[in-house]
Amino acid sequence: ETGVTQTPRHLVMGMTNKKSLKCEQHLGHNAMYWYKQSAKKPLELMFVYSLEERVENNSVPSRFSPECPNSSHLFLHLHTLQPEDSALYLCASSQEGAEFYGYTFGSGTRLTVV
Amino acid sequence: GQNIDQPTEMTATEGAIVQINCTYQTSGFNGLFWYQQHAGEAPTFLSYNVLDGLEEKGRFSSFLSRSKGYSYLLLKELQMKDSASYLCAVRDQAGGYNKLIFGAGTRLAVHP
Repeated sequence: ETGVTQTPRHLVMGMTNKKSLKCEQHLGHNAMYWYKQSAKKPLELMFVYSLEERVENNSVPSRFSPECPNSSHLFLHLHTLQPEDSALYLCASSQEGAEFYGYTFGSGTRLTVV
Repeated sequence: GQNIDQPTEMTATEGAIVQINCTYQTSGFNGLFWYQQHAGEAPTFLSYNVLDGLEEKGRFSSFLSRSKGYSYLLLKELQMKDSASYLCAVRDQAGGYNKLIFGAGTRLAVHP
């Protein structure tokens, strides 16, 4: 596989459930990101991991918990979510320190909280 | 603070030229990106500017003026498949590391 892979593509969960989103990159990048995309709003940066260390937690509620076990994998653990958390969650990776610092995005997980 | 503005929607005719503008304010500017996003899909990279001027890439060109905090994406010979959202993003290095901050996107509809 190449690029950035996210699973599942779609997820419906109740407010009391616990679920996890998974992201895997096959590009040899050293930085990974979680973004939230809601309708008609900018992509919101949630978490930044650089060299497997979290360097930014952008005022995200504690019901979202990221995990980066190695440079190729990133998880977003979800628990007791609210309906307003329904959105497209996008994972991205990049090579920090490279002259061209573009992000490669996964296809996203469409989350619906009921 | 950080602020990125771009028009919400635009329409254009197949075969025509369209220009999508983006203005930004950021404390640690380190490059500007344009991404294309079709509905339900991942954003895909289109262009990158870090110095002033025009970067051309086939039917797509992007311009940057750092002193004015301004960029535009120019799409020529429009095709129906160009109907998508176009996202302007600024690379910001305030805080000692790089991150991309996105505008809300411009939804472009191309008509026959």
